[in-house]
This record gives sequence, C-alpha cells and structure tokens, in this order.
Amino acid sequence: DVKVTQSSRYLVKRTGEKVFLECVQDMDHENMFWYRQDPGLGLRLIYFSYDVKMKEKGDIPEGYSVSREKKERFSLILESASTNQTSMYLCASSFSGGRGIGQPQHFGDGTRLSIL
Amino acid sequence: AQSVTQLGSHVSVSEGALVLLRCNYSSSVPPYLFWYVQYPNQGLQLLLKYTTGATLVKGINGFEAEFKKSETSFHLTKPSAHMSDAAEYFCAVSERGGSYIPTFGRGTSLIVHP
Repeated sequence: DVKVTQSSRYLVKRTGEKVFLECVQDMDHENMFWYRQDPGLGLRLIYFSYDVKMKEKGDIPEGYSVSREKKERFSLILESASTNQTSMYLCASSFSGGRGIGQPQHFGDGTRLSIL
Repeated sequence: AQSVTQLGSHVSVSEGALVLLRCNYSSSVPPYLFWYVQYPNQGLQLLLKYTTGATLVKGINGFEAEFKKSETSFHLTKPSAHMSDAAEYFCAVSERGGSYIPTFGRGTSLIVHP
C-alpha cells in the first residue's frame, strides 16, 4: 500500500518564523503536491513537482516555496509565517507518464498548522 | 478549462437512508473521475474512480457512482447510510491526455443522524 507520511500532525509556530513541512512517499511516484485546505474553500494547490528539482506554482504560491532534492521527499517552506497561513496542509503523490493515466492521488494525513 | 461542481456543501440523512452526493463537471472531453472521502483529522482516501468501460463504478464501503456523459455527472450513492459514513466527500476530475493535476470540487459534508 502507498504510504505518504507528513512529518507533523499538529504544529504551532509564531509569526515571522520560517516553517518547514516535510512529506515522504514510498511508492516511487514522480508527482508530488502540496495543498492547503480551509473550510468552505476545499483544496487549493500551492505547488506541484513532477520530478526531482522540478516545481510548478499552483493556484496560491505566494508566501510559500518548495524543495525536492530526492524523489521521495517534497518539502513546503513558509518563508516568514503569517497568521493567514494557519490552515490544514495536505501532501499528495501520484504516478506520471504512461503509468499515470487515470491514476489517483495518494494523500498524507495532513499537518494542522497554527501561526500565532 | 475543466471545473467541478458539488451541489450542496452539507447533506444530512438518517441512518439507513439513501445517500446521494452530486457532482457535475465541465470538460471538453470526458475526463477521468474520482470520489475521495476525508474522515475528521485525516487525509483524503480514494473511494472509487472512473477511467473507461462500465459507467457504473463500485467503490469501497458500499459506495458506487455512475458516469453519465449526457448529463456531465458523476453522482455518488449508497443505498443505506451508516453512522461511520459521516465525513467530507470530494469529487475530482483529471483531463484525458492533459495535466496530472486534478481539479477538485469544494466538498460535501455528509451528516448522518441516528
């Protein structure tokens, strides 16, 4: 079974801090994603990566950056945390290429981040 | 560009009653279609998917969905609701031959009353 592991379930940080959220998948998936989830807004894509060191902006990249140095690991970075970044953050992965046709995403359990 | 509409942000049913969660999409060609479920404080997990072939798709936990091309719909049903079905449900579409980034609906919260 595919396992997507997010490093923290709950995290509390202060305004202005640099925050790292880590995500690891164990199924050799090419694609990895970071979403934030807020009530009434559904899932919003922050960043997407389709290969090591490759990244693409999603719908709401402002205030965030990402890093993918190894295929299995995708990190989300809040450069200077602000209170409006308090949210649930979800990491996901999926196959790409021919294997990716019609394949679903696999999600981690999420990190609930509070910025005080 | 594709889009997904889930009708009703909240759906309330009694235990044992039919569950119907609606999903309509807009896409130039029939996309790949997915339903995910999210239990409290967890990530999303796949309920079922439609890629090709039979339009009635069966998933986990007794759920099924029917792809209706003429109505651009992929509604999720379950004959008899159980208390454990209370969760958030998301419909998603991926474009055939296009990006691997799916488009999600805003979700429907299913409330099950005893």
